[in-house]
This record gives sequence, structure tokens and C-alpha cells, in this order.
Amino acid sequence: RKEVEQDPGPFNVPEGATVAFNCTYSNSASQSFFWYRQDCRKEPKLLMSVYSSGNEDGRFTAQLNRASQYISLLIRDSKLSDSATYLCVVKRVLTHSNYQLIWGAGTKLIIKP
Amino acid sequence: NAGVMQNPRHLVRRRGQEARLRCSPMKGHSHVYWYRQLPEEGLKFMVYLQKENIIDESGMPKERFSAEFPKEGPSILRIQQVVRGDSAAYFCASSPGTGGTVRMLNTEAFFGQGTRLTVV
Repeated sequence: RKEVEQDPGPFNVPEGATVAFNCTYSNSASQSFFWYRQDCRKEPKLLMSVYSSGNEDGRFTAQLNRASQYISLLIRDSKLSDSATYLCVVKRVLTHSNYQLIWGAGTKLIIKP
Repeated sequence: NAGVMQNPRHLVRRRGQEARLRCSPMKGHSHVYWYRQLPEEGLKFMVYLQKENIIDESGMPKERFSAEFPKEGPSILRIQQVVRGDSAAYFCASSPGTGGTVRMLNTEAFFGQGTRLTVV
């Protein structure tokens, strides 16, 4: 079992719809969490950090559920430009001053007109 | 403040040649991560380095691949005797190494634009 798991999709969603996907992690020592977005043949870029209390940035909402060990990303009023692969990342202390990043394989989202 | 710089952006090598990929982290960053990505696949962790130290190389193939991050200069990922299966996009990411545990945990990693290696 992978340490960080995501549904690979693709999620085919009509423009304007709301879409949500989760990312589960198996190591309870995981301490911080991020969502990245990767466009085809480009580098991943940070979409948003995920805070314990949940956080929102425009049409995007991220949630963390430590008890069930998953994070979620909700996109409202989806746009064509939201089509991308969404990667979740878990970060934790490896040793003193060293931090490991564990990446999910990504969820592919396709927004259709 | 320049971002993470990778060069070359595209590299073509014949089978059996050596490939050297360079990554200059963001200013002030001392942690570098290398990843490989095949088409339509996710990022595969290869190695995690700090200046002059390899922290975690659990994702590196045992043969032909090596990485370094010297005190001065960029991090280098070296692939000797390349084979067709090495063709992929290689990304590096950097993050800061100082500032305390809480700050470090809450700081994301920044990626370079990648090097696309094609072995012919």
C-alpha cells in the first residue's frame, strides 16, 4: 500500500460544476499537507497549503481530517482552466532539520465545456 | 529572487552516453529533492540532498545513477550509460533548511521547470 494515495481519475466534470477529491495518508506522523497542481508537461506548482481548521482560497477549499487521515480539495464553479493533475503532498520530520515529502500520484481533472 | 533553475531544459543522449542534469535551488534553500516523471505517470522520488550530504536516496536506482549537492554550485544528477528507459522528465525541487521545525513543516517546496531527457 502506498503511503499517500489518490484516485488517479480522470474526473470528467462539466464546466461550472463542483468537484471534490480526497487524498489518504497512512503515516499518522505526517505533519503538514499541501495541494499542488501540475499542468501537462510542466512542473508542479503549489495550489494551497492545508491547515488543520480547513482553508479556502477563492473557489478552492482544502480540508484536513486527521482522525481518518485524509485531506480533501473542493473546487467550486469549475473552469476549463482548472483542467490539470492535482497532487497531494505530505510533509514530516525525517530527522532533525530534515523533512521528507511524500507525494501522491495525482488525480487528473478534465473540465468539459 | 530567481526560482529553481534546471538546465538543460532538453537533453538528448545516445544509448551508452552520460547525462548530467543540473539544479540550482532558490536562494537560501539548502534542501534539494530530485524526481523522475514518465509520461502520464506521477512523480517518482529519487533522492533528497542537503549541501554535501545525501539524506535519502531510497528512490535512486542502484546502478548508473548518482547525485551530489556540493558546498558550492548546483546539485547534479548523473546518469551513466543511459538506456532508452531513462527517457523521462526530471524535476528538482528545493526548500529552505533553516527557520525552525514549525516553519519548515509549513513551507512548501518549489520546483524547477524540469529537464526532459530523451535517449535515442
